Amino acid sequence: SQTIHQWPATLVQPVGSPLSLECTVEGTSNPNLYWYRQAAGRGLQLLFYSVGIGQISSEVPQNLSASRPQDRQFILSSKKLLLSDSGFYLCAWSAQRRAKWDTFGSGTRLTVV
Amino acid sequence: DAKTTQPPSMDCAEGRAANLPCNHSTISGNEYVYWYRQIHSQGPQYIIHGLKNNETNEMASLIITEDRKSSTLILPHATLRDTAVYYCIVSSSGSARQLTFGSGTQLTVLP
Repeated sequence: SQTIHQWPATLVQPVGSPLSLECTVEGTSNPNLYWYRQAAGRGLQLLFYSVGIGQISSEVPQNLSASRPQDRQFILSSKKLLLSDSGFYLCAWSAQRRAKWDTFGSGTRLTVV
Repeated sequence: DAKTTQPPSMDCAEGRAANLPCNHSTISGNEYVYWYRQIHSQGPQYIIHGLKNNETNEMASLIITEDRKSSTLILPHATLRDTAVYYCIVSSSGSARQLTFGSGTQLTVLP
């Protein structure tokens, strides 16, 4: 069966520090991968999605970047965190062909101080 | 993708049916209606989806109006564990499907 792993679960980082959040999927190949952010009390905002290795589409201009170095690995990064980067970050995947629905990871709570 | 309108909050008594409405008046012919829920501090969980026929699974039922401009998610016997934010989303099929989450409906199941 397919599983999605996202870590760390919580993270407190100072302003100006770098960020790296990792997401991996097991049990499937060539998945679509997504990064979402959820600010407190608000809906989910799609940040990046990827249909293949090295293929990244950005939905919102921001201080973040994403990379997909391997088929089932998706990384969210920042060189210098801002206070406004605080939020709940979620990774998700869906099958490339005949995608039925997305499966989400458990999320990373990022607090920038 | 079309947008959806949901009430911000609803209460439901434990053991009773919870009926969550969603309006999607600009839905296109190839767009599905998806429902997800998010329990506090967890990732969203897929519940059910449909195109134009009513659907039922082990979690819920989805009723879509004939004109497809609105739908209702039904939790037949709500429990305290069903307290969550419920998102109604419309999305077309495709290899790079994206979901646009709005604010959803906060369902609170009361003992």
